[in-house]
Amino acid sequence: RKEVEQDPGPFNVPEGATVAFNCTYSNSASQSFFWYRQDCRKEPKLLMSVYSSGNEDGRFTAQLNRASQYISLLIRDSKLSDSATYLCVVGLLNNAGNMLTFGGGTRLMVKP
Amino acid sequence: DGGITQSPKYLFRKEGQNVTLSCEQNLNHDAMYWYRQDPGQGLRLIYYSQIVNDFQKGDIAEGYSVSREKKESFPLTVTSAQKNPTAFYLCASSTYRDRGYEQYFGPGTRLTVT
Repeated sequence: RKEVEQDPGPFNVPEGATVAFNCTYSNSASQSFFWYRQDCRKEPKLLMSVYSSGNEDGRFTAQLNRASQYISLLIRDSKLSDSATYLCVVGLLNNAGNMLTFGGGTRLMVKP
Repeated sequence: DGGITQSPKYLFRKEGQNVTLSCEQNLNHDAMYWYRQDPGQGLRLIYYSQIVNDFQKGDIAEGYSVSREKKESFPLTVTSAQKNPTAFYLCASSTYRDRGYEQYFGPGTRLTVT
């Protein structure tokens, strides 16, 4: 079983749609959670950190369910520019430092 | 402008040659990391360094070496012992924000070995 699992997609949605991505993680000791966005052939960019209380940044809402080890990202009113791969990332802080584990990504394609 | 730079953007080498990828950051971050990404796959950790003059192996360190002589710099050498070196190499650095550590990435180096 992968440590961080995501549906690879692609999710094809029309402009203006609401789309949700889910992610599950296997290590219950994980302490930090993130969504990164990666455009084709570019580096990942931090979209948002995810907190237990849930957090919102404009059209993006992230939720964390520690009991189910499940993270979600909701994008409202999709724009063409939202087309990218979204990476679910889970962090663990230990003696070795801050270690991140990356999911394989979910590809989103927003169509006109 | 603060950020992470990697050079070169594209690199081509013949099999059997060692090659060094550059990573520099002016964010004053203590921790730096090297990952590789293969098509359709997640990032995998090669090496990381929490402080100057110290570094640790990640999940796939075989065939790679690093140094951390300065806080700003964390170069990665891909040696001829690395069996499948063609990949997208990403350097990252890390700082503590609010309730957690966040990693920020450089633009990457795409290495092709033939």
